[in-house]
Amino acid sequence: DTGVSQNPRHKITKRGQNVTFRCDPISEHNRLYWYRQTLGQGPEFLTYFQNEAQLEKSRLLSDRFSAERPKGSFSTLEIQRTEQGDSAMYLCASSLARALIVLTFGAGSRLTVL
Amino acid sequence: DAKTTQPTSMDCAEGRAANLPCNHSTISGNEYVYWYRQIHSQGPQYIIHGLKNNETNEMASLIITEDRKSSTLILPHATLRDTAVYYCIVPIFNSGNTPLVFGKGTRLSVIA
Repeated sequence: DTGVSQNPRHKITKRGQNVTFRCDPISEHNRLYWYRQTLGQGPEFLTYFQNEAQLEKSRLLSDRFSAERPKGSFSTLEIQRTEQGDSAMYLCASSLARALIVLTFGAGSRLTVL
Repeated sequence: DAKTTQPTSMDCAEGRAANLPCNHSTISGNEYVYWYRQIHSQGPQYIIHGLKNNETNEMASLIITEDRKSSTLILPHATLRDTAVYYCIVPIFNSGNTPLVFGKGTRLSVIA
C-alpha cells in the first residue's frame, strides 16, 4: 500500500465550472476525511465517512459541495459552480475507527479557480 | 476543541534540539495531546500523541507537564528536513468520533 492517493494533484478551472477530486485511502482504513487548506492557514475540516456513511459535515461544506464514498473505499469530492473563493488545497486523510485519532494524509489536490 | 496556543514561528540551528511549546490550559482529564507537522507542499503528518506520561518515538519526544496544561514537542537533533509547520491539537472527546481541528501551528525554520 502506497498510502493515501489523491487525484488530480492540480486543477485549474474557470469560475462556474464543476470539479471533482478523488481520494483512495489506505485499504484497511474505514474512516475517510476531507479537509480544505488555504494559504497560511491550518487545514479546515469539511466532512468524514465511516465506511460508506457520511457521519459529519462542517458548516463550511456549502450545498455546492458534495462528497461520496459509495462502496466504503475511494471517495469523491465534487464542487459545483466553482467560485474564486473555492481556490484551496483539498486534503484527504484516512484512519482506522479507533479511539485514538491518527490520520494519514494524502498530498492534496490544489484547485485554482480563475 | 480544547484551545491550544502555540508561538507563530521559531528558529532552530541545525543539529540542535528544537523545543516547540504548546499551551492547552482547558484540557480535560481524558483528552490526549496530538502533534502533527506539515512540510511545504505536503499533507500533514502524524508525529506523536500523549495523555499524561512523556512519550518518545523515532520522530520526537513529547513532554507533558504534570498539570497537563502545557506540553513540549522535542526534536532532539533538528535537520533542515524538519522545517515545517507543527500543529498541537487537543480534540474534544477522545471517542474517535470528533475529527481533528487544526489551528495555525508553529512554523519551525531549521537553519544551517
